[in-house]
Amino acid sequence: DAGVIQSPRHEVTEMGQEVTLRCKPISGHNSLFWYRQTMMRGLELLIYFNNNVPIDDSGMPEDRFSAKMPNASFSTLKIQPSEPRDSAVYFCASSQQGNPLYEQYFGPGTRLTVT
Amino acid sequence: EDKVVQSPLSLVVHEGDTVTLNCSYEVTNFRSLLWYKQEKKAPTFLFMLTSSGIEKKSGRLSSILDKKELFSILNITATQTGDSAIYLCAVNNNAGNMLTFGGGTRLMVKP
Repeated sequence: DAGVIQSPRHEVTEMGQEVTLRCKPISGHNSLFWYRQTMMRGLELLIYFNNNVPIDDSGMPEDRFSAKMPNASFSTLKIQPSEPRDSAVYFCASSQQGNPLYEQYFGPGTRLTVT
Repeated sequence: EDKVVQSPLSLVVHEGDTVTLNCSYEVTNFRSLLWYKQEKKAPTFLFMLTSSGIEKKSGRLSSILDKKELFSILNITATQTGDSAIYLCAVNNNAGNMLTFGGGTRLMVKP
């Protein structure tokens, strides 16, 4: 299996521009998670989906952030308009839903720089 | 709100040393605690702990959970330079599959 795939791997954009990050989860996984990692705040959960349905988006910073999962094999995280404080590494992770909990597998991340 | 605190924030040791990393937590309806290792890229899974007092072991790494005192430790014996990484602790509650991560411990192992 190719693992969780994210694109782009690096994104540099100017303040005010729209940014779209993409994620393909591991086939067969029905939970998908978007995280943001910075030196100051560590790894923060932004939103997660079960079976393509958003379950908890309380970590989404503000209305400038939105996430969608139109099908089981694709998700996007959009920032519009972007700001310098959005600069971070954004990780997508996937897992099987279940009890006991299945571990999450992380993608390689997208390093976003907003100038 | 679930909370995870890791200590120390950073640690520098020499090859061959043994290290102990700490993770304390506050979580409503605890279900499991997970350890991840993060090198230059994405976190990779190490252990999942659900029961107190049962040690999980993988090579030179081992971990144990104390649900009464609400903490876990990760031990690494005979450290190697390849162990240099950020070690992340996360907890899961019964509400779903989401994880709350601690701030991590940055370990550097010098030759």
